[in-house]
Amino acid sequence: AQTVTQSQPEMSVQEAETVTLSCTYDTSESDYYLFWYKQPPSRQMILVIRQEAYKQQNATENRFSVNFQKAAKSFSLKISDSQLGDAAMYFCAYRSGGGADGLTFGKGTHLIIQP
Amino acid sequence: DTAVSQTPKYLVTQMGNDKSIKCEQNLGHDTMYWYKQDSKKFLKIMFSYNNKELIINETVPNRFSPKSPDKAHLNLHINSLELGDSAVYFCASSQKGTLNYGYTFGSGTRLTVV
Repeated sequence: AQTVTQSQPEMSVQEAETVTLSCTYDTSESDYYLFWYKQPPSRQMILVIRQEAYKQQNATENRFSVNFQKAAKSFSLKISDSQLGDAAMYFCAYRSGGGADGLTFGKGTHLIIQP
Repeated sequence: DTAVSQTPKYLVTQMGNDKSIKCEQNLGHDTMYWYKQDSKKFLKIMFSYNNKELIINETVPNRFSPKSPDKAHLNLHINSLELGDSAVYFCASSQKGTLNYGYTFGSGTRLTVV
């Protein structure tokens, strides 16, 4: 079974600074997808960014980018120019390729933005 | 239009009761899911379901049962509610075999058992 580990229960960053959230995973599969989801206090689950394991290029979405290290099974999220609206729980998630499998989540990182 | 809608958003009930949470998606997705988020915010899949296959997480008590009247709906029935069932329950959907643009999640149902 796959596991996802987020080793930082909480992170704090000054507004406009850059922060990196860590995620590692364990799998024996070669085909899979990785995601970062954001959950603000409204509790809505919002997809931030996704990465296909077969792609070597790191995904980017505006201020959000990932550092995907497949051999190390590492998938960190970098948030540049942090904004107050970025404050939320961030979950790293894994999905097996091709199937109807659901997502396996990490335990989350609570991101605090200091004004 | 809400893509994945859950009702109710909040549910308070007594131990021992039976309750249902409804989920509907209008995305045309063929696979739907239920997740449980506990008090520590940990999200865990309970079921994945399409019109051919139900996959049950083996840790889910059999008091929980998904029921799908059609492809756009997956309701969650819970019998004999226990205090430990208090959590936020999320419905989600996706299209099997395609890249996730997601999984689209509903807004969650906060269940409180007293």
